[in-house]
Amino acid sequence: GENVEQHPSTLSVQEGDSAVIKCTYSDSASNYFPWYKQELGKGPQLIIDIRSNVGEKKDQRIAVTLNKTAKHFSLHITETQPEDSAVYFCAASKPGTASKLTFGTGTRLQVTL
Amino acid sequence: DGGITQSPKYLFRKEGQNVTLSCEQNLNHDAMYWYRQDPGQGLRLIYYSQIVNDFQKGDIAEGYSVSREKKESFPLTVTSAQKNPTAFYLCASSVGTGEQPQHFGDGTRLSIL
Repeated sequence: GENVEQHPSTLSVQEGDSAVIKCTYSDSASNYFPWYKQELGKGPQLIIDIRSNVGEKKDQRIAVTLNKTAKHFSLHITETQPEDSAVYFCAASKPGTASKLTFGTGTRLQVTL
Repeated sequence: DGGITQSPKYLFRKEGQNVTLSCEQNLNHDAMYWYRQDPGQGLRLIYYSQIVNDFQKGDIAEGYSVSREKKESFPLTVTSAQKNPTAFYLCASSVGTGEQPQHFGDGTRLSIL
């Protein structure tokens, strides 16, 4: 089955700096890659997603890039703020599988003042 | 506001008891999911349902059971056969199958007394 690896497991950046989280996937048939943000005691919240027909997608300070050849995708957060501190999960799914998502193990991002 | 409601937020179980976690959605979504989250791990799929009166096992279904009698509701029963039930349980829903984003509730934390 699909395997998604996520790095780093923890990331500390200063406010205003950029943060990058990377994920690799094993199944070349995967075509949907969402990113979730989870705050303490809450459920994950979708922040951005990308499909395999595009290489990059941006939404204000957040961007995701996808390299299908290398089977990896990354989350980029610019101008980080303290409220960006949370755990971030990447995920991948194939078509025709009832949206079964395989998740990475998460990255705890801490934005320090 | 539309969303997913999980109850209760905290649940305690004595060994040998079954316990049922509630999940209700008013998003008119066809598909619903149950995940288990353990520290340092990603979300692992327990069961999912694409439509009323139908559900499939996920990656870690042993010791769990579900029902889907109504579109809005997808309760999860943690049975006494689940050897390590202490975890954070998350319910999610999506419009349908394929590359659809999943929306999560805020989870139920189950602990064994």
